[in-house]
Amino acid sequence: SAVISQKPSRDICQRGTSLTIQCQVDSQVTMMFWYRQQPGQSLTLIATANQGSEATYESGFVIDKFPISRPNLTFSTLTVSNMSPEDSSIYLCSAEQGYGYTFGSGTRLTVV
Amino acid sequence: QQPVQSPQAVILREGEDAVINCSSSKALYSVHWYRQKHGEAPVFLMILLKGGEQKGHDKISASFNEKKQQSSLYLTASQLSYSGTYFCGTDRRGNDMRFGAGTRLTVKP
Repeated sequence: SAVISQKPSRDICQRGTSLTIQCQVDSQVTMMFWYRQQPGQSLTLIATANQGSEATYESGFVIDKFPISRPNLTFSTLTVSNMSPEDSSIYLCSAEQGYGYTFGSGTRLTVV
Repeated sequence: QQPVQSPQAVILREGEDAVINCSSSKALYSVHWYRQKHGEAPVFLMILLKGGEQKGHDKISASFNEKKQQSSLYLTASQLSYSGTYFCGTDRRGNDMRFGAGTRLTVKP
């Protein structure tokens, strides 16, 4: 299965600023996914990212707030823009290879 | 739509068995099971694609009743290493995984 390197692992950011999270996959994958997880809670899908096309966002998430890039089949970024304390959470990227999803190690974001 | 998992939490002694259930109100393409330990990313356990299919992995197995849109995860002779939160994930179109709320499993010596 794929191995995904995600960074940063954690960050503390000032409100109003933006943070870009990067995920590098060690093999080519068609689809990548971005999730958000509050501590002790389930994973909520933010968006699905295909190479060469715009990301598809779930209800409650918009491109202006969470712009996503997918420049090739092994890399994706998620930006959390104009952050507020409500954006404090764990963000995970994921890739699917036909036999289950592999996750990055997550980014723990704290907005102060 | 998020699948419904039950129970929310289970506490076991080593060697005991547990069943975790997952159901959906929508027709399913597949059901996945994941385990997440505290502070770590979820780890894939197994995927079920066909109705009635049962898959196994060591002492952990799962079934998928496509008609009832339900899946169950069976953990037998539990070990301390089984502790964690188990999530089922349901996929209606092959590209939109939704996860249940999770079942926190604690195995005690």
